Amino acid sequence: AQTVTQSQPEMSVQEAETVTLSCTYDTSESDYYLFWYKQPPSRQMILVIRQEAYKQQNATENRFSVNFQKAAKSFSLKISDSQLGDAAMYFCAYRSYSGGGADGLTFGKGTHLIIQP
Amino acid sequence: NAGVTQTPKFQVLKTGQSMTLQCAQDMNHEYMSWYRQDPGMGLRLIHYSVGAGITDQGEVPNGYNVSRSTTEDFPLRLLSAAPSQTSVYFCASSYSISGAYEQYFGPGTRLTVT
Repeated sequence: AQTVTQSQPEMSVQEAETVTLSCTYDTSESDYYLFWYKQPPSRQMILVIRQEAYKQQNATENRFSVNFQKAAKSFSLKISDSQLGDAAMYFCAYRSYSGGGADGLTFGKGTHLIIQP
Repeated sequence: NAGVTQTPKFQVLKTGQSMTLQCAQDMNHEYMSWYRQDPGMGLRLIHYSVGAGITDQGEVPNGYNVSRSTTEDFPLRLLSAAPSQTSVYFCASSYSISGAYEQYFGPGTRLTVT
């Protein structure tokens, strides 16, 4: 079974600065997908960014980018120019490729991101 | 499109009571699933369905039943509620169970069992 570990229960950053959230995972598979989800106080789960393991290029979505290190099984999220609206819980998630990913997403425990004005 | 909808948003049950959490999607997605989120934890998969008439168990299925009679609906039944089932429940759907297809989540149902 796969596991996802987020070692930072809480992070704090000044508005307009850059912050990096860490995620490591354990798997024996070579093909899989990784995701970062944002959960604001509204509880809604919002997809921030996704990465296919077979792609060497790191995914980028506007101010959000990832550093995907397949050999190290590391998948960190960098948020540039932090904004007050970025304050939320952030979850790293893994989805298997083999078996069609029928076992859904495996989530880490989350990192609570605080933005200081 | 309304996306994924869940009802109710909040519910309080007494131990031993039964209830059904409703989930519906209007995106014609094949794949639907139920997760629970406990404090300090990420989401954990309860049950999932890859199409009408097909369901299977996830990581934490005990105490829950599901059925999928239509593509749109995927209700979650608690047969005899227990305090350990106090949690926030999320329904999700996606085009397919495979690949990097985005899972669309509903707004969640906060359930308290006393």
